[in-house]
Amino acid sequence: GQNIDQPTEMTATEGAIVQINCTYQTSGFNGLFWYQQHAGEAPTFLSYNVLDGLEEKGRFSSFLSRSKGYSYLLLKELQMKDSASYLCAVRDYSSGGSYIPTFGRGTSLIVHP
Amino acid sequence: DVKVTQSSRYLVKRTGEKVFLECVQDMDHENMFWYRQDPGLGLRLIYFSYDVKMKEKGDIPEGYSVSREKKERFSLILESASTNQTSMYLCASSLWSTGATNTEAFFGQGTRLTVV
Repeated sequence: GQNIDQPTEMTATEGAIVQINCTYQTSGFNGLFWYQQHAGEAPTFLSYNVLDGLEEKGRFSSFLSRSKGYSYLLLKELQMKDSASYLCAVRDYSSGGSYIPTFGRGTSLIVHP
Repeated sequence: DVKVTQSSRYLVKRTGEKVFLECVQDMDHENMFWYRQDPGLGLRLIYFSYDVKMKEKGDIPEGYSVSREKKERFSLILESASTNQTSMYLCASSLWSTGATNTEAFFGQGTRLTVV
């Protein structure tokens, strides 16, 4: 089984930087994903980390420390459209030998002017 | 563009009805998933399939079954719908791989099911 923890809600100001943390406990770690989900829409993929370190993609970066069971998503130069839920998902081995992403409960980010 | 299509956006069913939710993907993905999403609980895995006719239970399979007769189609069945199955249902697909980077899940637009 897995335990994935992330804050329920965060607020930030337009133009600022925000860091959304995710901690996890898993028996067969095989990668960590971040997804963005706007209200009423499907989640969309943002980033993937399987090795320790920082992955940068434009305004968004994601960091992973496997030894600490810890990841964060960093959003720079926040825009109003970044107001959304951010989902941390850990890929793990299933009992049948497949790879399954398990999701945290999501962090609702509110960006205000 | 990868496309995952769910048959209905909104559905209203009566308690005790048998309900079918259909999902089709066009990217030849091996893995397909059914999640339900509820406020405060996040995405919870109901069932997934890694190949035709293969399925594994997720975290909350009770009251549900699935069918995968063709690679592109994965159906979720509520044998006898109950009010506690009112939820947003999300289908997803992904490549099956041990380490490739392009293994993210692609989601359908969701089906909001209300059981009355």
